[in-house]
Amino acid sequence: AQTVTQSQPEMSVQEAETVTLSCTYDTSENNYYLFWYKQPPSRQMILVIRQEAYKQQNATENRFSVNFQKAAKSFSLKISDSQLGDTAMYFCAFMKYNQGGKLIFGQGTELSVKP
Amino acid sequence: ETGVTQSPTHLIKTRGQQVTLRCSSQSGHNTVSWYQQALGQGPQFIFQYYREEENGRGNFPPRFSGLQFPNYSSELNVNALELDDSALYLCASSLASPAYGYTFGSGTRLTVV
Repeated sequence: AQTVTQSQPEMSVQEAETVTLSCTYDTSENNYYLFWYKQPPSRQMILVIRQEAYKQQNATENRFSVNFQKAAKSFSLKISDSQLGDTAMYFCAFMKYNQGGKLIFGQGTELSVKP
Repeated sequence: ETGVTQSPTHLIKTRGQQVTLRCSSQSGHNTVSWYQQALGQGPQFIFQYYREEENGRGNFPPRFSGLQFPNYSSELNVNALELDDSALYLCASSLASPAYGYTFGSGTRLTVV
């Protein structure tokens, strides 16, 4: 069975600085997808970034980028130029290729961006 | 384009009762999934529907059941409610290939007393 582990329950960062959230996962699959979702107090889960395991190039979306280390089964999220609106719970999630859409989430990291 | 809409936003039920939660998918999305998120936890997959058929289920008992309608809206039904069913229930919709990510609703907060 696949598992996703986020070892940092809480993190804080000053506005405009850079922060990295950690995520590790366990799987015997070779093809899969990884995601970072953001959940603000409004409760809606918002997709931040996705990575396909067969792609070696790390995904980037504006201020958000990942460091995908397939052999180490690590998938960290870097947020550059942090903004107050980045304050939220961040969840790392795994999905097997052709699984039918079942996302396996980690426990989450609560990020606070301070002015 | 509209997003995913869930109703109601909050609900209080008594142990042993039955509850129905509703979800309207994002326009054009034919796949819908339901997740249970206990307080302080990550969401747990309940099941998924594609074109009105269940095509995936997590480790939830049969008293959790669902429906998807021809317009791709969906219902989650929970019978014989237990205190541990208290959670945020999230609905998510996607195109047939959810590898591009889901669109989530804001959830229904269910409290069982």
